[in-house]
Amino acid sequence: KQEVTQIPAALSVPEGENLVLNCSFTDSAIYNLQWFRQDPGKGLTSLLLIQSSQREQTSGRLNASLDKSSGRSTLYIAASQPGDSATYLCAVPYGSGNTGKLIFGQGTTLQVKP
Amino acid sequence: NAGVTQTPKFQVLKTGQSMTLQCAQDMNHEYMSWYRQDPGMGLRLIHYSVGAGITDQGEVPNGYNVSRSTTEDFPLRLLSAAPSQTSVYFCASSYGSEAFFGQGTRLTVV
Repeated sequence: KQEVTQIPAALSVPEGENLVLNCSFTDSAIYNLQWFRQDPGKGLTSLLLIQSSQREQTSGRLNASLDKSSGRSTLYIAASQPGDSATYLCAVPYGSGNTGKLIFGQGTTLQVKP
Repeated sequence: NAGVTQTPKFQVLKTGQSMTLQCAQDMNHEYMSWYRQDPGMGLRLIHYSVGAGITDQGEVPNGYNVSRSTTEDFPLRLLSAAPSQTSVYFCASSYGSEAFFGQGTRLTVV
Protein backbone atom coordinates (compact mmCIF):
# COMPACT_ATOMS: atom_id res chain seq x y z
CA LYS A 1 0.00 0.00 0.00
CA GLN A 2 1.39 3.38 -1.00
CA GLU A 3 2.27 5.71 1.85
CA VAL A 4 3.38 9.31 1.52
CA THR A 5 5.37 11.03 4.25
CA GLN A 6 6.45 14.63 4.64
CA ILE A 7 9.14 15.68 7.07
CA PRO A 8 9.35 18.01 8.92
CA ALA A 9 5.76 18.67 9.92
CA ALA A 10 6.60 22.31 10.59
CA LEU A 11 9.41 24.64 9.63
CA SER A 12 10.20 28.23 10.61
CA VAL A 13 12.83 30.23 8.74
CA PRO A 14 13.88 33.88 8.45
CA GLU A 15 13.00 35.74 5.30
CA GLY A 16 15.47 35.31 2.46
CA GLU A 17 16.56 31.78 3.25
CA ASN A 18 16.57 29.04 0.65
CA LEU A 19 14.77 25.96 1.92
CA VAL A 20 13.91 22.39 1.00
CA LEU A 21 10.73 20.50 1.80
CA ASN A 22 10.80 16.72 1.63
CA CYS A 23 8.29 14.16 0.41
CA SER A 24 8.85 10.40 0.41
CA PHE A 25 6.71 7.58 -0.94
CA THR A 26 6.95 3.84 -0.42
CA ASP A 27 6.00 2.53 -3.89
CA SER A 28 8.23 3.89 -6.64
CA ALA A 29 5.78 2.93 -9.44
CA ILE A 30 4.11 6.32 -9.46
CA TYR A 31 2.52 7.99 -12.47
CA ASN A 32 3.35 11.51 -11.31
CA LEU A 33 3.77 13.63 -8.19
CA GLN A 34 2.07 16.91 -7.47
CA TRP A 35 2.94 19.65 -5.00
CA PHE A 36 0.20 21.84 -3.54
CA ARG A 37 0.02 24.90 -1.35
CA GLN A 38 -2.76 25.41 1.20
CA ASP A 39 -3.33 28.69 3.00
CA PRO A 40 -5.24 28.58 6.32
CA GLY A 41 -8.94 28.04 5.76
CA LYS A 42 -8.48 27.81 2.00
CA GLY A 43 -8.41 25.18 -0.71
CA LEU A 44 -5.41 23.54 -2.35
CA THR A 45 -3.52 25.36 -5.08
CA SER A 46 -1.45 23.30 -7.48
CA LEU A 47 2.18 24.43 -7.55
CA LEU A 48 4.07 21.89 -9.64
CA LEU A 49 3.36 18.57 -11.33
CA ILE A 50 6.20 16.18 -12.13
CA GLN A 51 5.55 13.30 -14.50
CA SER A 52 7.23 9.98 -13.73
CA SER A 53 9.60 10.45 -16.68
CA GLN A 54 10.77 13.86 -15.47
CA ARG A 55 13.46 14.68 -12.95
CA GLU A 56 12.40 18.20 -12.08
CA GLN A 57 10.00 21.07 -12.73
CA THR A 58 10.46 24.77 -12.10
CA SER A 59 8.06 27.64 -11.59
CA GLY A 60 9.50 30.97 -10.54
CA ARG A 61 11.28 30.55 -7.21
CA LEU A 62 10.03 26.97 -6.87
CA ASN A 63 11.83 23.88 -8.07
CA ALA A 64 10.56 20.36 -7.53
CA SER A 65 12.68 17.28 -8.11
CA LEU A 66 11.72 13.63 -8.36
CA ASP A 67 13.85 10.55 -7.70
CA LYS A 68 11.59 7.54 -8.19
CA SER A 69 14.27 4.97 -7.41
CA SER A 70 14.76 6.37 -3.91
CA GLY A 71 11.09 7.24 -3.44
CA ARG A 72 11.73 10.92 -2.82
CA SER A 73 10.71 14.33 -4.04
CA THR A 74 11.92 17.71 -2.83
CA LEU A 75 10.42 21.17 -3.18
CA TYR A 76 13.07 23.88 -3.20
CA ILE A 77 11.97 27.43 -2.41
CA ALA A 78 14.52 30.11 -3.20
CA ALA A 79 14.78 33.41 -1.36
CA SER A 80 11.79 32.73 0.88
CA GLN A 81 9.29 35.51 1.60
CA PRO A 82 6.65 35.95 4.33
CA GLY A 83 4.02 35.37 1.62
CA ASP A 84 5.36 31.84 1.22
CA SER A 85 3.98 30.98 4.67
CA ALA A 86 1.49 28.16 4.14
CA THR A 87 1.14 24.39 4.33
CA TYR A 88 2.77 22.49 1.49
CA LEU A 89 1.39 19.10 0.50
CA CYS A 90 2.67 16.47 -1.88
CA ALA A 91 0.46 13.82 -3.47
CA VAL A 92 0.75 10.80 -5.77
CA PRO A 93 -2.00 8.90 -7.59
CA TYR A 94 -3.41 5.65 -6.25
CA GLY A 95 -1.94 2.79 -8.26
CA SER A 96 0.59 3.10 -11.04
CA GLY A 97 -1.61 4.81 -13.61
CA ASN A 98 -3.42 8.12 -13.89
CA THR A 99 -6.36 7.30 -11.66
CA GLY A 100 -7.55 10.82 -10.87
CA LYS A 101 -7.41 10.02 -7.15
CA LEU A 102 -4.59 11.02 -4.88
CA ILE A 103 -2.77 9.92 -1.75
CA PHE A 104 -1.50 12.88 0.26
CA GLY A 105 1.29 13.40 2.70
CA GLN A 106 0.46 15.11 6.00
CA GLY A 107 2.03 18.35 4.84
CA THR A 108 4.76 20.70 6.01
CA THR A 109 3.61 23.97 7.58
CA LEU A 110 6.08 26.70 6.69
CA GLN A 111 6.43 29.99 8.50
CA VAL A 112 8.71 32.63 6.98
CA LYS A 113 9.50 35.37 9.48
CA PRO A 114 10.11 38.95 8.29
CA ASN B 1 -12.55 30.40 -15.39
CA ALA B 2 -14.52 29.32 -12.34
CA GLY B 3 -12.61 26.01 -12.07
CA VAL B 4 -14.04 23.84 -9.29
CA THR B 5 -16.89 25.39 -7.31
CA GLN B 6 -18.13 24.00 -4.01
CA THR B 7 -21.23 25.06 -2.13
CA PRO B 8 -21.93 25.80 0.63
CA LYS B 9 -18.69 27.11 2.17
CA PHE B 10 -19.93 26.52 5.72
CA GLN B 11 -22.66 24.32 7.15
CA VAL B 12 -23.84 23.27 10.60
CA LEU B 13 -25.98 20.15 10.84
CA LYS B 14 -27.68 18.37 13.68
CA THR B 15 -26.95 14.69 14.20
CA GLY B 16 -29.19 12.61 11.97
CA GLN B 17 -29.87 15.32 9.40
CA SER B 18 -29.05 14.77 5.76
CA MET B 19 -27.56 17.17 3.27
CA THR B 20 -25.81 17.39 -0.08
CA LEU B 21 -22.49 19.09 -0.70
CA GLN B 22 -22.38 20.45 -4.21
CA CYS B 23 -19.38 20.36 -6.55
CA ALA B 24 -19.28 21.66 -10.10
CA GLN B 25 -16.42 22.06 -12.56
CA ASP B 26 -16.35 23.88 -15.87
CA MET B 27 -13.17 22.37 -17.30
CA ASN B 28 -14.79 19.31 -18.90
CA HIS B 29 -12.67 17.02 -16.70
CA GLU B 30 -13.46 13.32 -16.66
CA TYR B 31 -12.13 12.57 -13.19
CA MET B 32 -13.72 14.00 -10.05
CA SER B 33 -13.21 13.08 -6.43
CA TRP B 34 -14.15 13.98 -2.87
CA TYR B 35 -11.75 14.22 0.08
CA ARG B 36 -12.09 15.05 3.71
CA GLN B 37 -9.39 16.82 5.68
CA ASP B 38 -9.02 16.26 9.40
CA PRO B 39 -6.30 17.41 11.81
CA GLY B 40 -3.65 14.73 12.16
CA MET B 41 -5.22 12.60 9.42
CA GLY B 42 -4.49 14.69 6.35
CA LEU B 43 -6.62 14.42 3.23
CA ARG B 44 -8.43 11.13 2.66
CA LEU B 45 -10.36 10.00 -0.39
CA ILE B 46 -14.09 9.44 0.12
CA HIS B 47 -15.47 8.67 -3.36
CA TYR B 48 -14.35 9.26 -6.90
CA SER B 49 -15.65 9.16 -10.46
CA VAL B 50 -13.91 8.50 -13.77
CA GLY B 51 -16.80 9.79 -15.86
CA ALA B 52 -20.54 10.37 -15.96
CA GLY B 53 -22.38 7.37 -14.58
CA ILE B 54 -19.27 5.80 -13.05
CA THR B 55 -18.40 6.10 -9.36
CA ASP B 56 -16.43 4.08 -6.86
CA GLN B 57 -15.46 4.11 -3.21
CA GLY B 58 -12.31 5.56 -1.81
CA GLU B 59 -10.61 5.09 1.54
CA VAL B 60 -13.39 6.37 3.83
CA PRO B 61 -16.77 5.96 2.04
CA ASN B 62 -19.03 4.98 4.93
CA GLY B 63 -21.89 7.41 5.55
CA TYR B 64 -21.55 9.09 2.15
CA ASN B 65 -23.21 8.59 -1.22
CA VAL B 66 -22.32 10.00 -4.62
CA SER B 67 -23.70 9.98 -8.13
CA ARG B 68 -22.48 11.50 -11.37
CA SER B 69 -25.20 12.20 -13.87
CA THR B 70 -23.25 14.85 -15.80
CA THR B 71 -19.58 15.55 -16.47
CA GLU B 72 -19.84 18.87 -14.63
CA ASP B 73 -21.43 17.89 -11.31
CA PHE B 74 -20.43 15.48 -8.56
CA PRO B 75 -22.55 15.96 -5.40
CA LEU B 76 -21.70 14.28 -2.10
CA ARG B 77 -24.63 13.22 0.06
CA LEU B 78 -24.53 12.68 3.80
CA LEU B 79 -27.37 10.32 4.60
CA SER B 80 -27.57 10.71 8.38
CA ALA B 81 -24.97 13.12 9.70
CA ALA B 82 -22.81 12.08 12.66
CA PRO B 83 -20.36 14.14 14.75
CA SER B 84 -17.53 12.04 13.24
CA GLN B 85 -18.33 13.66 9.89
CA THR B 86 -17.31 17.06 11.18
CA SER B 87 -14.54 17.95 8.75
CA VAL B 88 -13.50 20.09 5.81
CA TYR B 89 -14.57 18.57 2.51
CA PHE B 90 -12.77 19.16 -0.76
CA CYS B 91 -13.84 18.33 -4.27
CA ALA B 92 -11.27 17.91 -7.04
CA SER B 93 -11.29 17.39 -10.77
CA SER B 94 -8.60 16.33 -13.20
CA TYR B 95 -7.97 15.44 -16.81
CA GLY B 96 -4.61 14.05 -17.59
CA SER B 97 -2.37 14.39 -14.62
CA GLU B 98 -2.99 17.66 -12.80
CA ALA B 99 -5.69 17.88 -10.15
CA PHE B 100 -7.57 21.07 -9.29
CA PHE B 101 -9.38 21.63 -6.03
CA GLY B 102 -12.35 23.63 -4.86
CA GLN B 103 -12.22 25.99 -1.88
CA GLY B 104 -13.79 23.48 0.47
CA THR B 105 -16.89 23.11 2.63
CA ARG B 106 -16.43 23.32 6.38
CA LEU B 107 -19.05 21.06 7.96
CA THR B 108 -19.86 20.87 11.66
CA VAL B 109 -22.22 18.20 12.99
CA VAL B 110 -23.56 18.88 16.46
